[in-house]
Amino acid sequence: GDSVTQMEGPVTLSEEAFLTINCTYTATGYPSLFWYVQYPGEGLQLLLKATKADDKGSNKGFEATYRKETTSFHLEKGSVQVSDSAVYFCAHTRDNYGQNFVFGPGTRLSVLP
Amino acid sequence: EADIYQTPRYLVIGTGKKITLECSQTMGHDKMYWYQQDPGMELHLIHYSYGVNSTEKGDLSSESTVSRIRTEHFPLTLESARPSHTSQYLCASSGHRYEQYFGPGTRLTVT
Repeated sequence: GDSVTQMEGPVTLSEEAFLTINCTYTATGYPSLFWYVQYPGEGLQLLLKATKADDKGSNKGFEATYRKETTSFHLEKGSVQVSDSAVYFCAHTRDNYGQNFVFGPGTRLSVLP
Repeated sequence: EADIYQTPRYLVIGTGKKITLECSQTMGHDKMYWYQQDPGMELHLIHYSYGVNSTEKGDLSSESTVSRIRTEHFPLTLESARPSHTSQYLCASSGHRYEQYFGPGTRLTVT
């Protein structure tokens, strides 16, 4: 069935380090892919998305490329800040109508000054 | 900017009480969702709606119920709260562009 696998956390980095959070998915058809971020005490916010193979989503210095051949959508950032500390969720649409999502388990990131 | 609201933000209530968690959105979105988020962070879909008078149960069995009488409003009700219902509840909505927009959540504690 449909699923999303994410890198296990917590991930702890020093400020200005390079970030990669791995995400692979299992889905039928051609899902849209998303990264969401959740700051402490808040709901999820859409960080970036990609709707077709080879698309690159980007926002706030974060990037992810839709790799259909490897069914992956890894999140990267060249230089993390303390304010990036949060939980990151990878997700994909469950069907071609985009009605429901499949979320990954989340990866907690802590950035130390 | 997405506009989706949840009230209350925090609720502490005793066992056996009836509660309703409110969720409203001002974007005219047809699709709305309720998720339960456990302390390990994972999200579980408990209810969803594709429009007025449409409601479906999600992947995780829940003793809660929902209604969708107006497009903008999607309340969740627990008839008799139990400690096992203690969790964070997140409401979301989506329109034509697939992405879901989330409210700030309600943190429920049942004592």
